[in-house]
Amino acid sequence: AQTVTQSQPEMSVQEAETVTLSCTYDTSESDYYLFWYKQPPSRQMILVIRQEAYKQQNATENRFSVNFQKAAKSFSLKISDSQLGDAAMYFCAYRSDFTETSGSRLTFGEGTQLTVNP
Amino acid sequence: GAGVSQSPSNKVTEKGKDVELRCDPISGHTALYWYRQRLGQGLEFLIYFQGNSAPDKSGLPSDRFSAERTGESVSTLTIQRTQQEDSAVYLCASSLVPDSSYEQYFGPGTRLTVT
Repeated sequence: AQTVTQSQPEMSVQEAETVTLSCTYDTSESDYYLFWYKQPPSRQMILVIRQEAYKQQNATENRFSVNFQKAAKSFSLKISDSQLGDAAMYFCAYRSDFTETSGSRLTFGEGTQLTVNP
Repeated sequence: GAGVSQSPSNKVTEKGKDVELRCDPISGHTALYWYRQRLGQGLEFLIYFQGNSAPDKSGLPSDRFSAERTGESVSTLTIQRTQQEDSAVYLCASSLVPDSSYEQYFGPGTRLTVT
């Protein structure tokens, strides 16, 4: 079974600064997807960024980028020019290839609570 | 278009009572997933539906939990004889097809509190 570990329960950053959230995972699969989700107090899970394991190039979405190290099974999220609206719980998630029994279910880490200080 | 909706938003129930949680997926989405999120923790997978079929129910934590889905529409998660340990946020997600490349869209969740 796959596992996802986020070793930073809490992080804080000053507005306009850069912060990196860590994530490691364990899998024996070669094809999979990795995600970062944001969950504000509204509970709504918002997809921030995704990475296909077969792609060597790191994904970027505006101020958000990842550092994907497949051999090390590491998937960190970098937030540049942090904004007050970035404050939320961030979850790293792993998704296997589709199977008949489990579809393409997500396996989540424990989350990192990000605080942005003005 | 409309996103995934869940009802009720919040539910407080007494220990031992049964509860039903509802999920309305995005229209046309064939795959539906239920997850549970305990306080301060990540989401854990409960069950997956392809259409109205649930191929694997092993993610359900006990036999007090059951779920069904009507066609490719609404799904209901039922918890019988609720226990305090069932207190959590229950989230539902849907995707167009269950293929890994298709995004899962999440609902806002139902916060269940068992007193």
